[in-house]
Amino acid sequence: TQLLEQSPQFLSIQEGENLTVYCNSSSVFSSLQWYRQEPGEGPVLLVTVVTGGEVKKLKRLTFQFGDARKDSSLHITAAQPGDTGLYLCAGEVVSGTYKYIFGTGTRLKVLA
Amino acid sequence: NAGVTQTPKFRILKIGQSMTLQCTQDMNHNYMYWYRQDPGMGLKLIYYSVGAGITDKGEVPNGYNVSRSTTEDFPLRLELAAPSQTSVYFCASSYKGLAYGYTFGSGTRLTVV
Repeated sequence: TQLLEQSPQFLSIQEGENLTVYCNSSSVFSSLQWYRQEPGEGPVLLVTVVTGGEVKKLKRLTFQFGDARKDSSLHITAAQPGDTGLYLCAGEVVSGTYKYIFGTGTRLKVLA
Repeated sequence: NAGVTQTPKFRILKIGQSMTLQCTQDMNHNYMYWYRQDPGMGLKLIYYSVGAGITDKGEVPNGYNVSRSTTEDFPLRLELAAPSQTSVYFCASSYKGLAYGYTFGSGTRLTVV
């Protein structure tokens, strides 16, 4: 079974704090995406990383793909209430029955 | 606005009833998908299609059927609804497949009672 585990599952922080969300697997991914999902809506694509060690920045969000392409992290600097949501990682597995798998998600709440 | 449109937004079904969840996209994407999302379980792939006339099973296809007669539309059919099918259903599309990420619809919340 291919798994994409995210940690932490839940995170509640104050506005202005920094945080990091992790996405880990024993599988190798040819690409990995991060999505944010708000209540009552579908996930919205934030970023795609493809190369091992790649770092991408999107305003206060920094995404990193592990060197071995088995893991990824999302770091948010100076979190704001608008960052509240469910963060999902998803990856294209190099091999396996189901090529694209989603992580179980990290639910973030940023308090004003 | 361009994107993926799902209808209905909410639905309550009785056990044994059937229904079709509609999905249409106007981005000329070849790839379309149906997922279900259950609390704490992530997104599970039900069916997918790589183009008109081509469909294939995903991870959890039992109890569902799909068709893809046009590039734009990818309806999901539930036959003989069961309580285990209570979930939020998302349709998604992508340009060339996995590495490009998906565009999701806003979902259909289905309750089977």
